[in-house]
Amino acid sequence: NAGVTQTPKFRILKIGQSMTLQCTQDMNHNYMYWYRQDPGMGLKLIYYSVGAGITDKGEVPNGYNVSRSTTEDFPLRLELAAPSQTSVYFCASSYGGFTDTQYFGPGTRLTVL
Amino acid sequence: GQQVMQIPQYQHVQEGEDFTTYCNSSTTLSNIQWYKQRPGGHPVFLIQLVKSGEVKKQKRLTFQFGEAKKNSSLHITATQTTDVGTYFCAGPYSGAGSYQLTFGKGTKLSVIP
Repeated sequence: NAGVTQTPKFRILKIGQSMTLQCTQDMNHNYMYWYRQDPGMGLKLIYYSVGAGITDKGEVPNGYNVSRSTTEDFPLRLELAAPSQTSVYFCASSYGGFTDTQYFGPGTRLTVL
Repeated sequence: GQQVMQIPQYQHVQEGEDFTTYCNSSTTLSNIQWYKQRPGGHPVFLIQLVKSGEVKKQKRLTFQFGEAKKNSSLHITATQTTDVGTYFCAGPYSGAGSYQLTFGKGTKLSVIP
């Protein structure tokens, strides 16, 4: 099993550009999550999904959108990128809810200039 | 605001010395999880504590959950260079009608050989 995979690994965007961060898991997990991690900070939850077709906002959802059309995929869309979105983005998944072990992908390092 | 406080933020130790990081919650937790993130890597699940006063060991790592289930600690005996990384605690908190896993800011451990 590959676990949780994310693409791309690195990306530089100009202010106002848009992009989609891809996340795929092959563990048949119901729950999937997107976090951002800023230097010296913990992980902040952006969006999460409890199953295909169901998504909900986390702590810091502004400027992002998600969709979950399949169990495996949970892409994160950035519209009109801003410097404040410069961060490392981690996708994670778990079989059950928030009390279950979360498995993280390798991350996408995004810089907005 | 921040519901999970971790101290210290940084810790530098000589190889062979012990290390402890502490996690304090503003509210009682149903459980607490610990993750380790190596430099440039992604968070990796270490352990989950559920019971009041629970103590679990993994080789040189000892995890404790307080009697009131509002604090936790991770103790590493005789640190090695392989212990380098940031250690995060995380607990489920109610937010926007559902539970979300909230991470502390982490303790960054440096081990001087």
